[in-house]
Amino acid sequence: DAGVIQSPRHEVTEMGQEVTLRCKPISGHDYLFWYRQTMMRGLELLIYFNNNVPIDDSGMPEDRFSAKMPNASFSTLKIQPSEPRDSAVYFCASSLAGLYEQYFGPGTRLTVT
Amino acid sequence: TQLLEQSPQFLSIQEGENLTVYCNSSSVFSSLQWYRQEPGEGPVLLVTVVTGGEVKKLKRLTFQFGDARKDSSLHITAAQPGDTGLYLCAGGESQFYFGTGTSLTVIP
Repeated sequence: DAGVIQSPRHEVTEMGQEVTLRCKPISGHDYLFWYRQTMMRGLELLIYFNNNVPIDDSGMPEDRFSAKMPNASFSTLKIQPSEPRDSAVYFCASSLAGLYEQYFGPGTRLTVT
Repeated sequence: TQLLEQSPQFLSIQEGENLTVYCNSSSVFSSLQWYRQEPGEGPVLLVTVVTGGEVKKLKRLTFQFGDARKDSSLHITAAQPGDTGLYLCAGGESQFYFGTGTSLTVIP
């Protein structure tokens, strides 16, 4: 079975541009998570969905960040406008067991110049 | 302030040595998980501990959950270069937290 799929794997953009990160969870998993990882702050949970409904978005840093899950097999994380401090690796993960036993994708390395 | 503090932050050892890494919190967790992350990849779940005092073994890795469910440890016996990576503990109820991580390098 395919694991969690993320695209793009690398994204370089200029400050002020809109960035959209994409995720396809493992088929059948009803929880989807978005994380951000930086050297300074480690791995932080941004938002998670259950059955396509956002459950907790308290980790979303500010209004420039938004996430959607229009169906069970697709989710997006959008940053508009992007800033250099948004540079990080963004991970998507999915789970059958809620917060436990999460399966992570390979991540998207975002660089904002 | 990090909810889950891990120590040491960095560890470099020779192949064949034993090591222990720690995950500590001032909060009680109903369970804790351990993940390993290799460079350029996402974290991979190793184990979940759910009962205070529980010990779980995964080949050369031994995981222990503290009696008070506020801390956990990971012991690796006879470390191998393939054990190199970032070890993360994680837990939470309505919110989920990852620890600060221990970066392990095993030198052949």
